[in-house]
Amino acid sequence: DVVMTQSPLSLPVTLGQPASISCRSSQSLVYSDGNIYLNWFQQRPGQSPRRLIYKVSNRDSGVPDRFSGSGSGTDFTLKISRVEAEDVGIYYCMQGTHWPFTFGQGTKVEIK
Amino acid sequence: QVQLVESGGDLVKPGGSLRLSCAASGFTFSDYYMSWFRQAPGKGPECVSYISGSGTNIIYADSVKGRFTISRDNAKKSLYLQMNSLRADDTAMYYCARFPRNPEGWGRGTTVTVSS
Repeated sequence: DVVMTQSPLSLPVTLGQPASISCRSSQSLVYSDGNIYLNWFQQRPGQSPRRLIYKVSNRDSGVPDRFSGSGSGTDFTLKISRVEAEDVGIYYCMQGTHWPFTFGQGTKVEIK
Repeated sequence: QVQLVESGGDLVKPGGSLRLSCAASGFTFSDYYMSWFRQAPGKGPECVSYISGSGTNIIYADSVKGRFTISRDNAKKSLYLQMNSLRADDTAMYYCARFPRNPEGWGRGTTVTVSS
């Protein structure tokens, strides 16, 4: 199985400051169709996962533009340009290239 | 707007069975691959199965292979997960989602608890 390794696992952030989460895969995520199926999810306390970013850098409708995704090959990053109180929660990366699809361990974002 | 509503979760004894349902609206259901994910308490999500729009292409995680069966009824715009021989480690919130490779549209989920 493809192992997705996130860091850090805990991220205390000051309101208004930037935050960055790294996700590394144990093998290339380029699929046979040329796409890279690397997604980012936000899970607020008590809520279902919500997709923020798909195929590395495509922001979902309704997702604030302070969220951005980047990366290639096996290294990917989710950035929040200015953290707001509503951003508190757990963030997961997920690869949908190789079956079984796998998630990172999750990064808990909290406000300092 | 894509809407997915899961139902059918319950408390069941080990070895028991359950059938989960997912009602879809807001899109042409038959055009899309659909999937079931689950999330055990305090853990990250896991994809357990997905199915093509026609129902001909199906795949399962090793953890559920031979025990769970995914199916769909395109006329009813519904996705199903028949779960047999349930074990304690199947305890989780179960979600359906569109686009298994880029799962979106997660509903509120339905809770499955396997305990004696």
